[in-house]
Amino acid sequence: AQKVTQAQTEISVVEKEDVTLDCVYETRDTTYYLFWYKQPPSGELVFLIRRNSFDEQNEISGRYSWNFQKSTSSFNFTITASQVVDSAVYFCALRPTMNRDDKIIFGKGTRLHILP
Amino acid sequence: DTEVTQTPKHLVMGMTNKKSLKCEQHMGHRAMYWYKQKAKKPPELMFVYSYEKLSINESVPSRFSPECPNSSLLNLHLHALQPEDSALYLCASSQLPGQATEAFFGQGTRLTVV
Repeated sequence: AQKVTQAQTEISVVEKEDVTLDCVYETRDTTYYLFWYKQPPSGELVFLIRRNSFDEQNEISGRYSWNFQKSTSSFNFTITASQVVDSAVYFCALRPTMNRDDKIIFGKGTRLHILP
Repeated sequence: DTEVTQTPKHLVMGMTNKKSLKCEQHMGHRAMYWYKQKAKKPPELMFVYSYEKLSINESVPSRFSPECPNSSLLNLHLHALQPEDSALYLCASSQLPGQATEAFFGQGTRLTVV
């Protein structure tokens, strides 16, 4: 099965707190790509990061960091010192490569509220 | 430039109308997509075009008709829609078909069928 699970439907934190969004995936492929997207109220899905299955290095970009653990099939996303502008729905997504069919499998999303 | 432009941003149409959604990208991407997103749900894939040819149709009803006139443009023609078709329609593109690069999305068209 090819699947992405975001168990947290909705999270609320107070501004400046750190918050981690969980993502667990399932795939039969040995080569695959993982993504995080942000969807603010305006509707556009904003690409945040891509990680391929051979690269388990963690990544940091400003206040954002990602932790990829192949052993637990997880690709978690942490926002440090959250800000109100971080309020959005965040989607984790998987792109298997075996079928070469260009499908992206999305998780159900986590709605993040940053309270002032 | 990672921009995918969709028009219109909002559309209200009756069940007997015919309308079209338009999508444009100038990134040289050769894979283009239509997704449908209902409120509080993830995007659902509708169609994929690879090198301007339809490669995936996710069993979408024929009242939705995609068209890819050239490598920069993607249209979605709508006819005899139902109120349950009201949703956010997102267009996306990615570099090359068959390569697992990220997709870039437009802002979407919020469609209301009355």
